[in-house]
Amino acid sequence: EVQLVQSGAEVKKPGESLRISCKGSGYSFTNYWIAWVRQMPGKGLEWMGIIYPGDADTRYSPSFQGQVTMSADKSISTAYLQWSSLKASDTANYYCARPSVVRGGIIRSDVWGQGTLVTVSS
Amino acid sequence: QSALTQPPSASGSPGQSVTISCTGTSSDVGAYNYVSWYQQHPGEAPKLMIYEVSKRPSGVPDRFSGSKSANTASLTVSGLQAEDEADYYCSSYAGSNSLGVFGGGTKLTVL
Repeated sequence: EVQLVQSGAEVKKPGESLRISCKGSGYSFTNYWIAWVRQMPGKGLEWMGIIYPGDADTRYSPSFQGQVTMSADKSISTAYLQWSSLKASDTANYYCARPSVVRGGIIRSDVWGQGTLVTVSS
Repeated sequence: QSALTQPPSASGSPGQSVTISCTGTSSDVGAYNYVSWYQQHPGEAPKLMIYEVSKRPSGVPDRFSGSKSANTASLTVSGLQAEDEADYYCSSYAGSNSLGVFGGGTKLTVL
């Protein structure tokens, strides 16, 4: 079974750093892109960026460029999303997904992780 | 890239049909046949229901169908069932200079 399993919920203070993870199984992790999606409380979905674990190629949405860093460790089939200095406005549910990508753009995502809730509060 | 426009809410009685619209531009919905629809129940991850405008992934009931005309895509749910009550999001490919764009979401209520 193809699965993406994300790390658990986090509660952090403003200014702290954080890395959340997304582990793929049931497929060749290096041959598929991983996308990260933000969903702020009570709001809609936003593509944050994509990473290709095979060669670490990354693309960020302009809104998230410089705000987060995506990485991947193909030896353990795990992708990461990290912040160096969290803000209260980073409070959201973050999903990883396995998108199909055409010329750098996402055409669909058929597999999703369960989500990681990040709460940033003083 | 601006978000696609969806009505905030839609509703129907069990057994009825309901259609949710998703309006974009000639740079996204109107330019490509890469519109997808996602269903999200409260507290759950999104689930792909329709891709490439009208194709259904394995396991999605044929009560769900998709279509497109010009810059507007539509999701139709026929024979509404209680479990169809959820948020629905459209998404479109928007070319090689964009990751893609989501709609704002539509809350479907089964009366």
